[in-house]
Amino acid sequence: SYELTQPPSVSVSPGQTARITCSGDVLPKQYAYWYQQKPGQPPVLVTYKDIERPSGIPERFSGSSSGTTVTLTISGVQAEDEADYYCQSADTSVPYVIFGGGTKLTVL
Amino acid sequence: EVQLVESGGGLIQPGRSLRLSCSASGFIFDDYAMHWVRQAPGKGLEWVSGITWNSGILGYADSVKGRFTISRDNAKKSVYLQMNSLREEDTALYYCAKGDDTLTGNCDYWGQGTLVAVSS
Repeated sequence: SYELTQPPSVSVSPGQTARITCSGDVLPKQYAYWYQQKPGQPPVLVTYKDIERPSGIPERFSGSSSGTTVTLTISGVQAEDEADYYCQSADTSVPYVIFGGGTKLTVL
Repeated sequence: EVQLVESGGGLIQPGRSLRLSCSASGFIFDDYAMHWVRQAPGKGLEWVSGITWNSGILGYADSVKGRFTISRDNAKKSVYLQMNSLREEDTALYYCAKGDDTLTGNCDYWGQGTLVAVSS
């Protein structure tokens, strides 16, 4: 079965750009999705189909894809962006939905 | 407004069974796949199971295959998770999530979750 690998933590100062990566062999074949989860709250979808952004999500959140790696970029990070971020993709042969292990974004 | 409300969680002994329910509103329920995703205390998200709009395709994580069964009732706008032979490692907050038109797309709305604690 496929796996998605994320760094456990990323730290950035307010106003800087945060980049969170997600790697996996399934990513050239299937779309990736990113979720933000703050403590005590359910996840929120912040990007879908690699690069699309749902309505209501700030423009500073963007997704990109290159080969076996997808990246969530948060430009001009704000204190409120401190959260856990999860990537998600899927193995359609099973079918099987896959989540990455999550990345804790700390705003210094 | 999309709303998903889970129920049925609780404290249960290992080996016993529990049935979770999720009631949906605010969207055309029978147009979308539905999912159950769990999160153990202090851990990450783990997809548990998903079901297409017409129950034609069901998917399960390896960790629950053979023990859990997902189902839905489009007339009642509800999705269910029958959990049998529960283990301590099934302890988690169980989220119901709205999928897209496939079983392998995103989850764009989530409920608040229902807590399942498996312990003797």
